[in-house]
Amino acid sequence: EDKVVQSPLSLVVHEGDTVTLNCSYEVTNFRSLLWYKQEKKAPTFLFMLTSSGIEKKSGRLSSILDKKELFSILNITATQTGDSAVYLCAVEYSGGSNYKLTFGKGTLLTVNP
Amino acid sequence: DAGVIQSPRHEVTEMGQEVTLRCKPISGHDYLFWYRQTMMRGLELLIYFNNNVPIDDSGMPEDRFSAKMPNASFSTLKIQPSEPRDSAVYFCASSWTGPRADNEQFFGPGTRLTVL
Repeated sequence: EDKVVQSPLSLVVHEGDTVTLNCSYEVTNFRSLLWYKQEKKAPTFLFMLTSSGIEKKSGRLSSILDKKELFSILNITATQTGDSAVYLCAVEYSGGSNYKLTFGKGTLLTVNP
Repeated sequence: DAGVIQSPRHEVTEMGQEVTLRCKPISGHDYLFWYRQTMMRGLELLIYFNNNVPIDDSGMPEDRFSAKMPNASFSTLKIQPSEPRDSAVYFCASSWTGPRADNEQFFGPGTRLTVL
């Protein structure tokens, strides 16, 4: 079954709106959670979260992790059309002695002018 | 640095043919990752290398898939024979000193593979 579940699958908003994207996970030996933005090409890194309750912030984007409830949220305030993209959540965990990285299916965000 | 370089950018082939995808990681990066992305399954890690050595290939779907890294600046992902269900975008990524939480992976532009 899916170890990383993102919601919603897609979202359409107007410029200036605030959006919250969700990522829940279920893995053992959790190490970190990562957020990526994917426009028409390769994913680009946004945030890496390892500790609960500590907000990471970059401009209008922010993210926080809850390791007790096993989820993370990505907030985007004052959205712009350039924020339109697929936002991917990935969870890093240990599988035996090896590193494992599992991505969610992503949330497609469309920001209309 | 030019970033991670992948070739070809697009590949269209017929079922049963051999396909070879190529990747040049960022110079100095010790780790190289191969991913596959489809609408149905999202982004999946196939295999990763450390200092040219394959560390974990548990994500490789089946024996038709193989990957090599003969030196620090080049890797290939080969599918033989290819099947229509292999159609996807294949990404290569690289990072410094290991797949740890504080090491950002830099993705290449991807190869869009279509198997007819």
